[in-house]
Amino acid sequence: QSVLTQPPSVSGAPGQRVTISCTGSSSNFGAGYDVHWYQQLPGTAPKLLIYGNSNRPSGVPDRFSGSKSGTSASLAITGLQAEDEADYYCQSYDNSLSGSVFGGGTKLTVL
Amino acid sequence: QVQLQESGPGLVKPSQTLSLTCTVSGGSISSGGYYWSWIRQHPGKGLEWIGYIYNSGSTYYNPSLKSRVTISVDTSKNQFSLKLSSVTAADTAVFYCARAVVRVVPRFDYWGQGTLVTVSS
Repeated sequence: QSVLTQPPSVSGAPGQRVTISCTGSSSNFGAGYDVHWYQQLPGTAPKLLIYGNSNRPSGVPDRFSGSKSGTSASLAITGLQAEDEADYYCQSYDNSLSGSVFGGGTKLTVL
Repeated sequence: QVQLQESGPGLVKPSQTLSLTCTVSGGSISSGGYYWSWIRQHPGKGLEWIGYIYNSGSTYYNPSLKSRVTISVDTSKNQFSLKLSSVTAADTAVFYCARAVVRVVPRFDYWGQGTLVTVSS
């Protein structure tokens, strides 16, 4: 059971918009800690996708956006493409565990 | 461009100690501002933070693994290492080393390719 809760799977057709939720608690998001998002393509290492709730590292398309409010965070992907099919993970800090925590991951399927 | 590369045995016997090394290139471990980290992923499962070390030697571990984990750094070789003791089959996983930017919430900006470690007799 992960400290941060994500839906196991989401899907969408090419060109559509999908969102992936990440639900935390008072010891992480509710305490004001930021969220980061990672994309893991099949058979590869995770890649930083969004940091500090809504910032994109250089090279990440602006089709990817992030937000956080209260004890929840979201990753949105617009103009869905086949190459977006991957696992997505949220990550934050939890002060009751005194360390980094990840969500359980969400598998995005492009129909 | 920072690159990280894990190395170590791919097979470890139960009750033994798993030992992995991460070699960093394209940047110095001695430079401040980063935690040097280990993360694992059980087969078909999600990511689990194991711990990280600062160049000063300060360490931070996942409480669930703390009693079995040691992370150390060798700045002369630009490497850091993981030791996980008393392993069982439940420790079979892909182990990643990663660089984390030091912030209130560290973010993992560079990752190694990962190495699969199987615990089996």
